[in-house]
Order: sequence, then structure tokens, then C-alpha cells
Amino acid sequence: SQTIHQWPATLVQPVGSPLSLECTVEGTSNPNLYWYRQAAGRGLQLLFYSVGIGQISSEVPQNLSASRPQDRQFILSSKKLLLSDSGFYLCAWSVRAGETQYFGPGTRLLVL
Amino acid sequence: AQSVAQPEDQVNVAEGNPLTVKCTYSVSGNPYLFWYVQYPNRGLQFLLKYITGDNLVKGSYGFEAEFNKSQTSFHLKKPSALVSDSALYFCAVRDGTSGTYKYIFGTGTRLKVLA
Repeated sequence: SQTIHQWPATLVQPVGSPLSLECTVEGTSNPNLYWYRQAAGRGLQLLFYSVGIGQISSEVPQNLSASRPQDRQFILSSKKLLLSDSGFYLCAWSVRAGETQYFGPGTRLLVL
Repeated sequence: AQSVAQPEDQVNVAEGNPLTVKCTYSVSGNPYLFWYVQYPNRGLQFLLKYITGDNLVKGSYGFEAEFNKSQTSFHLKKPSALVSDSALYFCAVRDGTSGTYKYIFGTGTRLKVLA
């Protein structure tokens, strides 16, 4: 069966510091991968999605970037964190675009 | 434009009573609709989906949803609520217009089941 992992589970970082969040999927090949941010425990905002290695689409211009160095690895990064980057970051995968998305456990980021 | 609305910020229901969490959508073409549940500090868990076929879709944990094309609704239901059903529920629709088939999520409905 497929599983999706995210780490770290929680992170507290000072403003201006770099960021690297990692997401990995097991048990499937060539998944579509997604990064979402959830602010204030409510709506989800799609940040990036990837249909293959090295293929990244950005949904919202922002302080963040994403990379997919391996088939089942998706990384969310920032060179300098802002206070507004605080939130709950969720990674998801699907077999193909438009198919059911399955979410990871999330990373809670607090920027101080 | 594709959109999904969850008109209720919170729904309170007594344990053992039936529950309904509302969702309406606006899409061009055939809708692909999904329900997810989120427990505190956790990721979203897939409950059920409608793509085609029977308008009544059964999912995990005893939940079901009814697709109503004329009312453009996809309400989540359960015949008998449990306290453990208390969580945040999201409706989502697949956006097929851009070719990327991204999800559009509702703003979420907090369900509180009272003992």
C-alpha cells in the first residue's frame, strides 16, 4: 500500500532563516505531488504541484519554491522566511492529475 | 469559474442523530466531487468521491453523500453521528478547465457532535 511521509512534524524558525520541508511517497511510481498551505485551520491554498521529476508548477507567487529531485520526493523551500509563512503545510499525492489526492500528516511551521 | 461553497461554518448535532454537512458547487462539464475530513493537527483523510453513476455514494466511517445535479449539491450525511465524528470537513471539486485537474476546496465546516 502507499504511504506518504512529511517531516519535520513541527518547526519553529526565526524570520529570515531558510526553510526545507520534505515529503516522500512510498509504494507508487511517478505520482503527481502537491504542496498546500492551510492558514488558521481552514482553507487550503495550493502552492505547487508536480507531474514528474524536475517539473514544478507554481500557483501563487510567493517567498517559497519547490523541487522534485527524485520521483517520490517533493521539497518545499525558502531562502528567507517571513512571518506570513507560518501555517500548516500539507503534501499530497495522486496517481494522475485529477484523481483522488491523498494527504500526508502535515508540518506545522511557526515563524517568529 | 469553478467553485465550491460550504455555507455552514459550524454544524452542531447530538450524538445518535443524523448529520448533514452541506456543499454546493459550480463547474463546467461533469463534476468530480470529493469529501475529506481533518482531525486536529492532522492531514486530510479521504472519505468519498463522486465521478459518475449512482447519486448516493458510500464512503469511509459510515459516511455517504448525495449528488444532486439539479441543485448542484453534494451534501455529506451520516445516519447516526458519533462524538468521534467531530472534526473539520472539506468538500472539493476537480477543476477540469485548465487541463491540470486541480482541486478547488471549500472553506471547511466544523462538525461538533455533542454527547
